[in-house]
Amino acid sequence: AQSVTQLGSHVSVSEGALVLLRCNYSSSVPPYLFWYVQYPNQGLQLLLKYTSAATLVKGINGFEAEFKKSETSFHLTKPSAHMSDAAEYFCAVSTGNTDKLIFGTGTRLQVFP
Amino acid sequence: EAQVTQNPRYLITVTGKKLTVTCSQNMNHEYMSWYRQDPGLGLRQIYYSMNVEVTDKGDVPEGYKVSRKEKRNFPLILESPSPNQTSLYFCASSSTGGAREQYFGPGTRLTVT
Repeated sequence: AQSVTQLGSHVSVSEGALVLLRCNYSSSVPPYLFWYVQYPNQGLQLLLKYTSAATLVKGINGFEAEFKKSETSFHLTKPSAHMSDAAEYFCAVSTGNTDKLIFGTGTRLQVFP
Repeated sequence: EAQVTQNPRYLITVTGKKLTVTCSQNMNHEYMSWYRQDPGLGLRQIYYSMNVEVTDKGDVPEGYKVSRKEKRNFPLILESPSPNQTSLYFCASSSTGGAREQYFGPGTRLTVT
């Protein structure tokens, strides 16, 4: 069975600081991994996805994530936080067998001026 | 514009009064899914559909029904809503294949009193 664990339900950073949101997954087969962002009162929007083409994945708005099989991790980073990055972020996993997404419980990012 | 639409966006109802939340996508996607989002639990899948007339239960299907009579529409039906179904609901769609991005609707906030 697949699962996703997001460490830290809330993360606070100062504007300009590094953003690091942690995601660990469990999967018995090679996974597809996703990061979605949810801005207030909106649906989820895809930030980036890993599909085995490259371990370092670049997404929108300056975010990137690195797939580390040995650590079963897919942490999301951004070198310099912006106020507009304040949102909730979800890590999700699926396999090639189905289209089902298994979501983590989410991390709310706050950015302080 | 490619999009998933949901109606209504907000709904307050009473226990036992049947309701339907509509979902429609204009991307000719085969796969559609309903999720509910609750604080601390992330998104959990209610039902999904791989194509017209093909539906299956997700992780939390109790108290919900769905139908897929047309490719573009995937309504969620609550025959007898209860207060524990108070939640934020999202419809999503994608083409098939495990690495495909799911596109999310804007959400429906349901309150059952």
